[in-house]
Amino acid sequence: RKEVEQDPGPFNVPEGATVAFNCTYSNSASQSFFWYRQDCRKEPKLLMSVYSSGNEDGRFTAQLNRASQYISLLIRDSKLSDSATYLCVVNISPNAGNNRKLIWGLGTSLAVNP
Amino acid sequence: NAGVMQNPRHLVRRRGQEARLRCSPMKGHSHVYWYRQLPEEGLKFMVYLQKENIIDESGMPKERFSAEFPKEGPSILRIQQVVRGDSAAYFCASSPPTANYGYTFGSGTRLTVV
Repeated sequence: RKEVEQDPGPFNVPEGATVAFNCTYSNSASQSFFWYRQDCRKEPKLLMSVYSSGNEDGRFTAQLNRASQYISLLIRDSKLSDSATYLCVVNISPNAGNNRKLIWGLGTSLAVNP
Repeated sequence: NAGVMQNPRHLVRRRGQEARLRCSPMKGHSHVYWYRQLPEEGLKFMVYLQKENIIDESGMPKERFSAEFPKEGPSILRIQQVVRGDSAAYFCASSPPTANYGYTFGSGTRLTVV
């Protein structure tokens, strides 16, 4: 089983739709979680961290379920500019400050259509 | 406040030549990570360095690849005797020593071996 798994998609949705991505992780000692966005042929950029209580940033909501070991990303009122690959990232280091153990999912591809 | 700076952006090498990729971390960041992304594939961890120390090189190919992060100057990823299969995007990321907020990536170096 992969340490971090994502549905590769692609997800094709119309503008204005709500879309949700899930990501599962295998290591129960995982400490911190992130969603990154990567546009074609560009570097990954941090979209948001994922907190235990869940967090929201505009149209984006991230949730963490430690019991089931998954995180989710919800995008509401999707825009054409949301088209990208969304990467799930998990820090499995027992020391939450040790960044070197970031494990990356392969990403979920989203295409928002007019 | 410059971000992570990578150069060159594009590098073309003939088979058998050497490729040197440079990465200057963000100001205040002392941890550097190198990743490789092959076409249509996910990010693959290569090496994690702090100043003058290689902390984790578990993702580095056993031969031809080396990395350093000297006391002064940028981090260097060196690929000797390049082959076609080395063609990829090489991303560098940096982080501060104790933060737990993910990485900041540079724009990457696209290596093409002809």
